[in-house]
Amino acid sequence: DQQVKQNSPSLSVQEGRISILNCDYTNSMFDYFLWYKKYPAEGPTFLISISSIKDKNEDGRFTVFLNKSAKHLSLHIVPSQPGDSAVYFCAARSYGNKLVFGAGTILRVKS
Amino acid sequence: NAGVMQNPRHLVRRRGQEARLRCSPVKGHSHVYWYRQLPEEGLKFMVYLQKENIIDESGMPKERFSAEFPKEGPSILRIQQVVRGDSAAYFCASSPAGGAGNEQFFGPGTRLTVL
Repeated sequence: DQQVKQNSPSLSVQEGRISILNCDYTNSMFDYFLWYKKYPAEGPTFLISISSIKDKNEDGRFTVFLNKSAKHLSLHIVPSQPGDSAVYFCAARSYGNKLVFGAGTILRVKS
Repeated sequence: NAGVMQNPRHLVRRRGQEARLRCSPVKGHSHVYWYRQLPEEGLKFMVYLQKENIIDESGMPKERFSAEFPKEGPSILRIQQVVRGDSAAYFCASSPAGGAGNEQFFGPGTRLTVL
């Protein structure tokens, strides 16, 4: 029962271009969505979040878009930098504060 | 301004032994969460605790696993009689009391290997 899905296991992008990471969910009761970045052998680092009552949130190079009717969200990174290469996890907040994570997308930014 | 601390970072146990994983939350945070990550998978929620209380343990296996967050000291995740399937990375996260709880800060994880 995968409530949060990241269908692309990996993505490769040229430095300076836009990276778009996608995420789909099935539970309409989720009230917050978050993106985390993770390097090997480290814990996830919070990047950006969005409330379910909004459709866009922007923070520097990172923008998250939420399409509630499609139960879809995406993370845009512009411009992409080699240091952005990591695994990106989409997560949704369920009742009781617990987070439901997708399986992750490996982003490789080529210089 | 230390973040979430976990120890040990790596733990090796033989089948049947006990594993104890420790988590010190961000100073001032009183909400602690434990997640487990199996290879090639995302993180899976295990348990949510506040000081001296278990709020939600719906992700914890019913047997062999327990968690506590005492009034003083770190949160402990305890796995009794470990089996090979318990091998995973265990992450602890914390959030501030009274906050929206939407932003959880994660520790570096403990990688448990069961031989």
